[in-house]
Amino acid sequence: LAKTTQPISMDSYEGQEVNITCSHNNIATNDYITWYQQFPSQGPRFIIQGYKTKVTNEVASLFIPADRKSSTLSLPRVSLSDTAVYYCLVGDMRNNQGGKLIFGQGTELSVKP
Amino acid sequence: EAGVTQFPSHSVIEKGQTVTLRCDPISGHDNLYWYRRVMGKEIKFLLHFVKESKQDESGMPNNRFLAERTGGTYSTLKVQPAELEDSGVYFCASSHRYSGNYNEQFFGPGTRLTVL
Repeated sequence: LAKTTQPISMDSYEGQEVNITCSHNNIATNDYITWYQQFPSQGPRFIIQGYKTKVTNEVASLFIPADRKSSTLSLPRVSLSDTAVYYCLVGDMRNNQGGKLIFGQGTELSVKP
Repeated sequence: EAGVTQFPSHSVIEKGQTVTLRCDPISGHDNLYWYRRVMGKEIKFLLHFVKESKQDESGMPNNRFLAERTGGTYSTLKVQPAELEDSGVYFCASSHRYSGNYNEQFFGPGTRLTVL
C-alpha cells in the first residue's frame, strides 16, 4: 500500500479556508484516496473519498491532480469545532471485502478564534 | 442508528492481570476490526473479522492477545497477561460489505487501557 506524507500540524483561524495536502508518490492504479477526521477522545470518522479530479460533499472537498501523487483536503470556512487530526489514507479498490486501514501520523489542525 | 460501542471506556490494571475489551459493531456489519494506538505512535491495525472468521490477524502483536467474535456479532479482545507496553487506546471499527464508499469503516470511541 502506498505510504502517505502529511504536515504534522497546521494552524488556522475561524472563517478561513484550510487546505491540507497529502503526498502519496507510490499510489497504484487500483488505489483510492480517503480522508478521516478524529476529534479528541473519539475514533476516526470518514470524511471524503475519491479516485481522481474533484469530489465534494457537505463536509469538505477533495482535489486530486491527474498524476494522483498527491491530494488536497479543503475545509471551507473552518470553525473551532473543526479542530481535529486529519488522516490521509490510500487503499486498494480491489479489496471489496474490506481490509485494514493504514494510518499515518495525520495532520493536527488547530482552529483559533 | 446506533454507532459502534466499546466497553469499558477506561481500564486501569496492574501488570500481569487480565483485561477483556468488548466491541459492539453497527448491526448488520459483517466486518469488524481492532486497532490500537500506543503512546506517541500511529493507529495500528490488529485484526479483521468477517462475521465470526478471522480474515486477517497480521497485526496482533503476540500470543498474549486473543480476539473472538462468537456468533458474528460482538467481539472481545483479551489481553493476558497485560504488560506495560500494552497501554494505549484500543479502537474497534465495523463496516458493511456493500457500503457506498470503498471500505468505509465506522469507529467506536475507543477503550483507554492503562497498565501499571
